[in-house]
Amino acid sequence: DTAVSQTPKYLVTQMGNDKSIKCEQNLGHDTMYWYKQDSKKFLKIMFSYNNKELIINETVPNRFSPKSPDKAHLNLHINSLELGDSAVYFCASSDYSGGYTDTQYFGPGTRLTVL
Amino acid sequence: QQPVQSPQAVILREGEDAVINCSSSKALYSVHWYRQKHGEAPVFLMILLKGGEQKGHDKISASFNEKKQQSSLYLTASQLSYSGTYFCGTGGGQTGANNLFFGTGTRLTVIP
Repeated sequence: DTAVSQTPKYLVTQMGNDKSIKCEQNLGHDTMYWYKQDSKKFLKIMFSYNNKELIINETVPNRFSPKSPDKAHLNLHINSLELGDSAVYFCASSDYSGGYTDTQYFGPGTRLTVL
Repeated sequence: QQPVQSPQAVILREGEDAVINCSSSKALYSVHWYRQKHGEAPVFLMILLKGGEQKGHDKISASFNEKKQQSSLYLTASQLSYSGTYFCGTGGGQTGANNLFFGTGTRLTVIP
């Protein structure tokens, strides 16, 4: 069974379009995250959600809007796509324990290419 | 807030040892180590919480020097399966989440 799944795996689109990436976890975790990995392999936190509530948005343009219908899902919607949005987007989840100890489990990633 | 890792890349022959360092300009409360193989997701290796703590996982171990705001990952008797990019991550400590600020990555290649 896949613990953290993302769809689609690949996404190719034109500049200016709007697209969504879906993420689901079946681990029973209460916290989910979105990370962006650019072409230089830098892995950067974008959002975190705890029990469907946004915890922190790490200076992400408001063209990016996460949506969490329930604690097992965290989708990412991107408006007016730009060339610089091309990257691999990873969803992750953890069982938040109130400290710094929780292990994060990553989904397989979605490779977004904006033409 | 991004930790700095060194070296950026290293090539080893099977059986050789390597050390990957992770330094932060901010106080560290925890250090997480992940390995990412090409085209795959990062996979958790270990977490260190206390200053001076050392942990081991097979032939991969790590230490955490809280005072120096550093952590090191030790790979001994490397195997081909160790190839990948290694990331350290430092916890942000927000209430309700543990956002990880990942280091710059170290690409490790093990050759026969």
